[in-house]
Amino acid sequence: AQTVTQSQPEMSVQEAETVTLSCTYDTSESDYYLFWYKQPPSRQMILVIRQEAYKQQNATENRFSVNFQKAAKSFSLKISDSQLGDAAMYFCAFQFGKGGSEKLVFGKGTKLTVNP
Amino acid sequence: NAGVMQNPRHLVRRRGQEARLRCSPMKGHSHVYWYRQLPEEGLKFMVYLQKENIIDESGMPKERFSAEFPKEGPSILRIQQVVRGDSAAYFCASSPMQGSNQPQHFGDGTRLSIL
Repeated sequence: AQTVTQSQPEMSVQEAETVTLSCTYDTSESDYYLFWYKQPPSRQMILVIRQEAYKQQNATENRFSVNFQKAAKSFSLKISDSQLGDAAMYFCAFQFGKGGSEKLVFGKGTKLTVNP
Repeated sequence: NAGVMQNPRHLVRRRGQEARLRCSPMKGHSHVYWYRQLPEEGLKFMVYLQKENIIDESGMPKERFSAEFPKEGPSILRIQQVVRGDSAAYFCASSPMQGSNQPQHFGDGTRLSIL
């Protein structure tokens, strides 16, 4: 079974600084997708960034970027120029790429605090 | 273009009652997923449905839980004879057809509280 591990239950960062959230996963598949979702106190699940496993280039969305290491099965999220609005729970998730169920498998999350 | 709509936002039930959670997918989406989030936990997959079909129910408890996605109307997650342990946030997500290479879009969730 696929598993997703987020080893940092909590992280904090100073406003305007950079923080990296860790995620590792375990799968025997070669075709899959990886995601980072943000869940603020309002409880919405907001897609932050998405990476296709077949792409070697790391995905980037404005201040958010990933470091995807396929061989190491590592998928970390870097937040640059942190803002107060970035404070939230961050969940890493895995999804099969083709056929069958397209369910998401989530990690337990990292709570990010942004200090002014 | 409305997003995924879940209702109610909050639902309170007493032990032994039934809970019905509704989810209307985004326009043009024909696939629905239900996830459960226990306090201080990540989301756990429950069931994946297409119109009138259950594709994957590997995450559904064997008893008391059922889900449907009829030809017309929203998807329903039904919990019979609720117990305290059913207290959680239940999220619905939708996507276009299978293999469409599109990410799932989530609703705001239903917080179920069991008295």
